[in-house]
Amino acid sequence: AQKITQTQPGMFVQEKEAVTLDCTYDTSDPSYGLFWYKQPSSGEMIFLIYQGSYDQQNATEGRYSLNFQKARKSANLVISASQLGDSAMYFCAMRERNSGYSTLTFGKGTMLLVSP
Amino acid sequence: DGGITQSPKYLFRKEGQNVTLSCEQNLNHDAMYWYRQDPGQGLRLIYYSQIVNDFQKGDIAEGYSVSREKKESFPLTVTSAQKNPTAFYLCASHDRLRYNEQFFGPGTRLTVL
Repeated sequence: AQKITQTQPGMFVQEKEAVTLDCTYDTSDPSYGLFWYKQPSSGEMIFLIYQGSYDQQNATEGRYSLNFQKARKSANLVISASQLGDSAMYFCAMRERNSGYSTLTFGKGTMLLVSP
Repeated sequence: DGGITQSPKYLFRKEGQNVTLSCEQNLNHDAMYWYRQDPGQGLRLIYYSQIVNDFQKGDIAEGYSVSREKKESFPLTVTSAQKNPTAFYLCASHDRLRYNEQFFGPGTRLTVL
């Protein structure tokens, strides 16, 4: 079974609007962390936000927030006030802390296009 | 400035040749990783290393080899046994005690002709 599922291959949003990118995960490890990365066409992976499984509050970083619903195993990324520069691939990833070597497992990504 | 460097950014090789991709970090991180990315796909783990002189196979290690002789360096060799080597390769590292971060290099785009 896939550990990270991103069901939206592509999303469109107009500039200045908010957009939610979906991510569901599967783990039996009680201690884990969830990451979101942005990958522009240049290929670099840019870290956006992190949520730990024991964090009580949803993580926020500027225009990015993570809608963490633990019981549903959901960790959606919300981008508020979209900008043209937000057009990129977005990846959700998980690190299971008790799995031994704590590697990151990635979803297949969502391509976000922001239009003027 | 601390960071991860990968060289070269673009690499072309003929089929049947081995090629080594460089990854260097000056972040003093113990853990280093190699990922492969195919067009429109997520990242898949090739190899990882938690300490010097130790490394483990990831999900798609066949046709690849690595070494970890120094803490700051984790080179990846794509051998002729790798059936579809053309891809984007990303190196990453993190402090093993810090679970909330992982840093990536800029990547190397390998094309095998």
